[in-house]
Amino acid sequence: GENVEQHPSTLSVQEGDSAVIKCTYSDSASNYFPWYKQELGKRPQLIIDIRSNVGEKKDQRIAVTLNKTAKHFSLHITETQPEDSAVYFCAASYTYSGGGADGLTFGKGTHLIIQP
Amino acid sequence: NAGVTQTPKFRVLKTGQSMTLLCAQDMNHEYMYWYRQDPGMGLRLIHYSVGEGTTAKGEVPDGYNVSRLKKQNFLLGLESAAPSQTSVYFCASSYTGGFMEQYFGPGTRLTVT
Repeated sequence: GENVEQHPSTLSVQEGDSAVIKCTYSDSASNYFPWYKQELGKRPQLIIDIRSNVGEKKDQRIAVTLNKTAKHFSLHITETQPEDSAVYFCAASYTYSGGGADGLTFGKGTHLIIQP
Repeated sequence: NAGVTQTPKFRVLKTGQSMTLLCAQDMNHEYMYWYRQDPGMGLRLIHYSVGEGTTAKGEVPDGYNVSRLKKQNFLLGLESAAPSQTSVYFCASSYTGGFMEQYFGPGTRLTVT
């Protein structure tokens, strides 16, 4: 099955600086790569996603880049703010071996801490 | 729209007890999922369903059973709870499969003593 590795597990940056979180995946058939943000005690929520026919996507202060050849993708947050403090999960699509259906495999998460 | 809801929000069980977690969605989604979240382990798929009346095993299915009798509901059952099942359980749904956004419920915090 798909294996998604996410680094770092914890990232501390000064408010206003940029943060970068990196993920690698193993299944070359994966073609959808979402990023979820989970605030403490809350549910994960999609913040940005990218499909394999696109190399980069931006939405205000966040951007995601994808390198299909190297099988890695990254989340970039610029001008970080206190409300960016959360756990961020990357994910990659894959086909479940049992049912032939498609789903997501998640990385283990990055705890982003914004220092005032 | 309420989106994805889960019942209950918290539960404490003794080892060997059983319980059922209910997930409901009002978005007419075909796919539904149950995940467990443990510290440092991310979200691990327990079971999933690709439509009413279907279920399939995910990454960590042992000790759990599921049912999808109605399209909008996905039930997760623990027949004989064990301390290793102490976790936060999230339900999610998506319109179709892995190439679409998954919408998560608020989670159920389960403690087994």
